[in-house]
Amino acid sequence: SYELTQPPSVSVSPGQTASITCSGDKLGDKYACWYQQKPGQSPVLVIYQDAKRPSGISERFSGSNSGNTATLTISGTQSMDEADYYCQAWDSSTAHVVFGGGTKLTVL
Amino acid sequence: EVQVVESGGGLVQPGGSLRLSCAASGFTVGSNLMTWVRQAPGKGLEWVSLIYTDDNTYYADSVKGRFTISRDNSKSTLYLQLNSLRVEDTAVYYCARSHIEVPGIDYYMDVWGKGTTVTVSS
Repeated sequence: SYELTQPPSVSVSPGQTASITCSGDKLGDKYACWYQQKPGQSPVLVIYQDAKRPSGISERFSGSNSGNTATLTISGTQSMDEADYYCQAWDSSTAHVVFGGGTKLTVL
Repeated sequence: EVQVVESGGGLVQPGGSLRLSCAASGFTVGSNLMTWVRQAPGKGLEWVSLIYTDDNTYYADSVKGRFTISRDNSKSTLYLQLNSLRVEDTAVYYCARSHIEVPGIDYYMDVWGKGTTVTVSS
């Protein structure tokens, strides 16, 4: 079955740029999307189709996907960006949705 | 306002059953791809099931044969029937409106509910 791998945690200083990676076999051949989940809240879509932002999502969030790695980048990181972030892709061979294990972003 | 609201969770003994509901407003479930996702306490997101507009359904291996996804278009409501429940099914269950714009490589969920909690314990 298809797997997506994320680092368990990433730390960043306020105002700096945070990068969260998501790795999977030939992930660049698929579209990746990203969800933000704050404690006690539901997931929120922040990036879809590798790099598109839904309406209402800050321009500080951007995405890329090439080769085996998709990356979520948060520029000018703020304390409000502290959350768990999950990547997700589609496994066409099984028609299954696949999530990465999640990355806890800490703004120090 | 586009939203979904889940309900039907609760405490159930191992081997028991529950039916979860997801009421949609601002859009119709029958015209959209819909997904169930769960999250065990302190754990990550886990895909559970999806239903296409043509009624094709798919399930995670962990729930196949025990869970059934369905919908009532007249009520714009999505369901998840949970049978033969196990302790490891304990989780918050979310429903989400979903999209495929490029078949084969694309899938994303843009509207999520607040979830409903299922606890399986004796």
